[in-house]
Amino acid sequence: GDSVTQMEGPVTLSEEAFLTINCTYTATGYPSLFWYVQYPGEGLQLLLKATKADDKGSNKGFEATYRKETTSFHLEKGSVQVSDSAVYFCARNSGGYQKVTFGIGTKLQVIP
Amino acid sequence: DTEVTQTPKHLVMGMTNKKSLKCEQHMGHRAMYWYKQKAKKPPELMFVYSYEKLSINESVPSRFSPECPNSSLLNLHLHALQPEDSALYLCASSRYSQTQNEKLFFGSGTQLSVL
Repeated sequence: GDSVTQMEGPVTLSEEAFLTINCTYTATGYPSLFWYVQYPGEGLQLLLKATKADDKGSNKGFEATYRKETTSFHLEKGSVQVSDSAVYFCARNSGGYQKVTFGIGTKLQVIP
Repeated sequence: DTEVTQTPKHLVMGMTNKKSLKCEQHMGHRAMYWYKQKAKKPPELMFVYSYEKLSINESVPSRFSPECPNSSLLNLHLHALQPEDSALYLCASSRYSQTQNEKLFFGSGTQLSVL
């Protein structure tokens, strides 16, 4: 079935460090790919998305590129801030009805 | 208004109780969802409503009963739950359900504890 694999955390970085969170997906169909972020005590918020191969999603300094050849959608940010501390979920969609499959989530902690 | 509002935020219930979770959105979205999220796990889809009709039931036990009274409201009725049903229940909505790249808007969830 459709699945998403992402690196388990927690990831602890110092402020202004470079961030990469790896994500790979099963290559069934033509999924759209997403990164959602969940801050403590809140629901998930869409961070960015990409709908086809070679698309780059970006928002708030975060970027991810849809790589069909490696079935990957890695999340990157050049300089993290303490306010970026949250859990990040990679997700894929399936055709037809909106069935979104989430990865396990990666907790990011940024220390001053 | 770009919010999905869920009530209550916290709920504690016994295994013989009947309770309901409520979800509301006023964005004109025609698809609404219930997800279940256990601690340190990803959200898992339970139900999808499209145009107020149940479209997807992910083999959820009958002790969970969804209801969509109108296009803005979504309820989840709970009866005879088990302690393992304790989790964060998230409601979400999207403009439509039948396109692949629609953004999901999530509520903050109801943290449910079953004693």
